[in-house]
Amino acid sequence: EADIYQTPRYLVIGTGKKITLECSQTMGHDKMYWYQQDPGMELHLIHYSYGVNSTEKGDLSSESTVSRIRTEHFPLTLESARPSHTSQYLCASYSNPPGQGTLNYGYTFGSGTRLTVV
Amino acid sequence: AQKITQTQPGMFVQEKEAVTLDCTYDTSDQSYGLFWYKQPSSGEMIFLIYQGSYDEQNATEGRYSLNFQKARKSANLVISASQLGDSAMYFCAMREGTGGFKTIFGAGTRLFVKA
Repeated sequence: EADIYQTPRYLVIGTGKKITLECSQTMGHDKMYWYQQDPGMELHLIHYSYGVNSTEKGDLSSESTVSRIRTEHFPLTLESARPSHTSQYLCASYSNPPGQGTLNYGYTFGSGTRLTVV
Repeated sequence: AQKITQTQPGMFVQEKEAVTLDCTYDTSDQSYGLFWYKQPSSGEMIFLIYQGSYDEQNATEGRYSLNFQKARKSANLVISASQLGDSAMYFCAMREGTGGFKTIFGAGTRLFVKA
């Protein structure tokens, strides 16, 4: 049973529309991430957050924005969708217990949102 | 800059045999973590195994083991007794100790298990 939820699972939308991809986790994780992945290809980090009111851009330039108003919620917004945004978007989170290192905890991933912009 | 290289786009293995998926990495940090994830055709990412840069023993999780060779900067995944359900994409990943909390991924290896 997933502890991190992404909605919608699939989305087909027209060019120019504004869309928000939802990501919520129930594990209390402070660190959350958005990755973009074309089918069968590597994951590219587009946004991340260390906690509430903390957001950073990732290594891949993206026209999307994110917000982190609550620990459990990390939505991704595209103000004007384009065909080049067609991809899978994966949300992930993790947290290290107090006093434990930050390295040795794997991500928990959501099921992803497959976005098609026509 | 940190980098992950997976040189095998695709691999075939006979059911019940062992297979090794290659991963090399580049980092200037002394402290880092290495991860392997599995992505079945359904698309979800599943965390398999972790190896810390200071760990002296190779990590093992059930049928998965990580062959960590620090001097060669390699972190190969070994799957023993392959099963049909092991057919998937496998991604090697790294998180640096001083690079914040970001994890970077390799290009992946698609594994096909033959009956």
